[in-house]
Amino acid sequence: DTEVTQTPKHLVMGMTNKKSLKCEQHMGHRAMYWYKQKAKKPPELMFVYSYEKLSINESVPSRFSPECPNSSLLNLHLHALQPEDSALYLCASSQDRRANSNQPQHFGDGTRLSIL
Amino acid sequence: RKEVEQDPGPFNVPEGATVAFNCTYSNSASQSFFWYRQDCRKEPKLLMSVYSSGNEDGRFTAQLNRASQYISLLIRDSKLSDSATYLCVVNEEAGGSYIPTFGRGTSLIVHP
Repeated sequence: DTEVTQTPKHLVMGMTNKKSLKCEQHMGHRAMYWYKQKAKKPPELMFVYSYEKLSINESVPSRFSPECPNSSLLNLHLHALQPEDSALYLCASSQDRRANSNQPQHFGDGTRLSIL
Repeated sequence: RKEVEQDPGPFNVPEGATVAFNCTYSNSASQSFFWYRQDCRKEPKLLMSVYSSGNEDGRFTAQLNRASQYISLLIRDSKLSDSATYLCVVNEEAGGSYIPTFGRGTSLIVHP
């Protein structure tokens, strides 16, 4: 069982819908990440939060809007997505580098998103 | 950010074989290194961290060579259940955080 919980597991939405993906961890990790993964490709980094502040935005379109309400939660708000945004969206967490220099990421099992 | 290169394979090996994967990275300032395993339609799962001194976990051995900037993973006595994609991950420091860069993954198929 993963220690990073993502909901929903599957999501089908139209291009005009607004929805949110949720991620939760209770490992005390202070770095949290959103990734997008297409079939047969590695995960592609979207956003990094460090101590609840956005530290990295990998030039992600504004139709994806991250939010970190507290140290355990990370959301990804979706609006006006395109069919090419269909993918597996993975959340991960890790110790921030100030805590330890060699901490791996722990992944949730992802939300499989389909845009109609 | 710099690149992490992996041979995508697939590596097709019989049960019981020994197989090795390499992964090269271009940023000499990279901080930490990991191997992940990803099964089809599942999330990546940490297999092991990689250190210069090498580390072993059962049938799996990982090694870091900082001078040549590569990491390796050796799997001995392959099992059918080892079939998966193996991703190397290199952490770099940026914006106060560690930013992982993934290799494209190496596909392993173990057949009877």
